[in-house]
Amino acid sequence: SQTIHQWPATLVQPVGSPLSLECTVEGTSNPNLYWYRQAAGRGLQLLFYSVGIGQISSEVPQNLSASRPQDRQFILSSKKLLLSDSGFYLCASLPRGGDHEQFFGPGTRLTVL
Amino acid sequence: SQQGEEDPQALSIQEGENATMNCSYKTSINNLQWYRQNSGRGLVHLILIRSNEREKHSGRLRVTLDTSKKSSSLLITASRAADTASYFCATVLTGGGNKLTFGTGTQLKVEL
Repeated sequence: SQTIHQWPATLVQPVGSPLSLECTVEGTSNPNLYWYRQAAGRGLQLLFYSVGIGQISSEVPQNLSASRPQDRQFILSSKKLLLSDSGFYLCASLPRGGDHEQFFGPGTRLTVL
Repeated sequence: SQQGEEDPQALSIQEGENATMNCSYKTSINNLQWYRQNSGRGLVHLILIRSNEREKHSGRLRVTLDTSKKSSSLLITASRAADTASYFCATVLTGGGNKLTFGTGTQLKVEL
């Protein structure tokens, strides 16, 4: 089975500062990778997904960007954080040829002050 | 926008009782999935039901799907305190590739 690693687990950043959240996947090759954001008490909003190295699709216009420099590495970034970027960020993986069941990482809780 | 809406938003029951959560969606789907999330943690996949299936079981979980009503239900039988969590439905839309669209979730609390 696969394991999704995310770090850091929690992060407190000032408005206007940069952001880099990292997600790595073990136990599978060439997966689809996803970044979600979850506001408090709400469902998940898909931000970005990637079907391969260097291939990124953005689902919503926003202050964030994503990159996939390696097959099993997915990075979420921002040049200047906004207050509205606060939330719980989850990375997920869909194994190639998988049955649409996604595997989730433990998440990063970001607070922008 | 949210594809799925769960009902109720919150549910509190006693240990041993059954818990039923409902999910409605808006457009044609390939499959519907249920996930569980413990507070502050990642999501864990529970069960997947395809659009041509009507009912599926996994342990104490029973999922039904009614594509004519665009709705699904998750039943947890003989609930335990450890079942306390948020439960989300998620749909893979027809022609939507490998993307999940999540509902708003039901917060289940099982009390001793």
